[in-house]
Amino acid sequence: DQQVKQNSPSLSVQEGRISILNCDYTNSMFDYFLWYKKYPAEGPTFLISISSIKDKNEDGRFTVFLNKSAKHLSLHIVPSQPGDSAVYFCAASGRGSARQLTFGSGTQLTVLP
Amino acid sequence: DGGITQSPKYLFRKEGQNVTLSCEQNLNHDAMYWYRQDPGQGLRLIYYSQIVNDFQKGDIAEGYSVSREKKESFPLTVTSAQKNPTAFYLCASSTSGGPISTDTQYFGPGTRLTVL
Repeated sequence: DQQVKQNSPSLSVQEGRISILNCDYTNSMFDYFLWYKKYPAEGPTFLISISSIKDKNEDGRFTVFLNKSAKHLSLHIVPSQPGDSAVYFCAASGRGSARQLTFGSGTQLTVLP
Repeated sequence: DGGITQSPKYLFRKEGQNVTLSCEQNLNHDAMYWYRQDPGQGLRLIYYSQIVNDFQKGDIAEGYSVSREKKESFPLTVTSAQKNPTAFYLCASSTSGGPISTDTQYFGPGTRLTVL
């Protein structure tokens, strides 16, 4: 049973527009969420995180929103750039474990010039 | 330069052979992790270690073994008991890995293992 779901395997966006990547989770014990960006044949790169005590965290062009009641988080990239084209993974961890990360299956973002 | 190194980048193995993947970090991190990625899937945790000389099984530990004799090193052995070893293997580390930690995990570049 997938505890972290990214239901859109791919997303295409025009350069300069907003990219919105979505992630849903089922485990109510999750209290810390991260987004990673990954290029082919490379390790994931940490982008941004959010704790469950917040509903928004911003870092430059990247903003993560958390809706705890809906068990949903989203990553907004504004403005999108061609270099943002990559696979984006959502990950979550929770209390009571050794902070193991549970990953979604990823969304391939393509930013078109 | 601080970081995580994995070697080799590409590895080929004959069926029935054990193979060891290297992971080294010079970030002074206590916790280290091994993940596996298959096409179209997220990362799945194989093993993790919160401290030297201690490690725990993750979600898919069968057919794998690890050791943590030094803080900097966390090698992963893929044994012949692993039924589907062909995958992309990723090592990660974080400052600490305790139950209350929210330390970010940082990843190495990965090793692509192919079983012939």
